[in-house]
Amino acid sequence: DVKVTQSSRYLVKRTGEKVFLECVQDMDHENMFWYRQDPGLGLRLIYFSYDVKMKEKGDIPEGYSVSREKKERFSLILESASTNQTSMYLCASRSASGANQPQHFGDGTRLSIL
Amino acid sequence: AQSVAQPEDQVNVAEGNPLTVKCTYSVSGNPYLFWYVQYPNRGLQFLLKYITGDNLVKGSYGFEAEFNKSQTSFHLKKPSALVSDSALYFCAVTITGYSSASKIIFGSGTRLSIRP
Repeated sequence: DVKVTQSSRYLVKRTGEKVFLECVQDMDHENMFWYRQDPGLGLRLIYFSYDVKMKEKGDIPEGYSVSREKKERFSLILESASTNQTSMYLCASRSASGANQPQHFGDGTRLSIL
Repeated sequence: AQSVAQPEDQVNVAEGNPLTVKCTYSVSGNPYLFWYVQYPNRGLQFLLKYITGDNLVKGSYGFEAEFNKSQTSFHLKKPSALVSDSALYFCAVTITGYSSASKIIFGSGTRLSIRP
C-alpha cells in the first residue's frame, strides 16, 4: 500500500516566518503534488513536480515555493507566512504511468498563521 | 473554462436508503473521472474511477458511479447507505492528452450525512 507521510499534522507559526511543510512517499512515484483545502473551495493545486528537480506552478502558487531534491520527498515552502495562508495542506503522489492513475494523499497538515 | 461541479454542498440520507452524490464536468477532450472520500482529519482516499468501457463503475465500500457522456455527469451511488459513509466526497477529472504532468481538477466537495 502506498504511504504518503506529511511531517506535521498541526502547525502554528507567526506572520513573516519561513515555513517548511514536508512530504515523503514510499512508492517510488514520479509525480507529487501540493494542494490547499479550504471550506467551499475544494482542493486547489499550489505546485506539482513530475520528477526530481522538476516542478510546475499550479493554480495558486503565489507566496509558495517547492523543492524536490529526492524522488521520495517534496517540500512546500511559505517564504513569508501570512494569515491568509492559514489552511489545510495536502500532499499527494501518483505514478507517472498515466493520467488514469489515482492520487494517493497524506493526512494533511493543518497550518495556522498567527 | 474546464471545471467540475458538485451542485450539492450537503446530502442527507437515512441509513438503509439509496444515496446519490452528483458530479458534472465541463472539459475538452476525453476525461478520466475519479471519486475520492475524506473522513475527518484525514487525507483523501480513492474510491473509484472511470477510464473507458462500461458506464457503471464499481469501487470500494459498495460504492458505484455512473458515467453519462451526453449529460457530462459522473454521479456516485450506493444502494443502501451506512452511517459510516458519512464523510466529504470529491469528484475529480484528469484531462487526457498530457504527459505525466496531466491536469487534475477537483470539485468543491459534497458532505454526505447518513442519519441512523
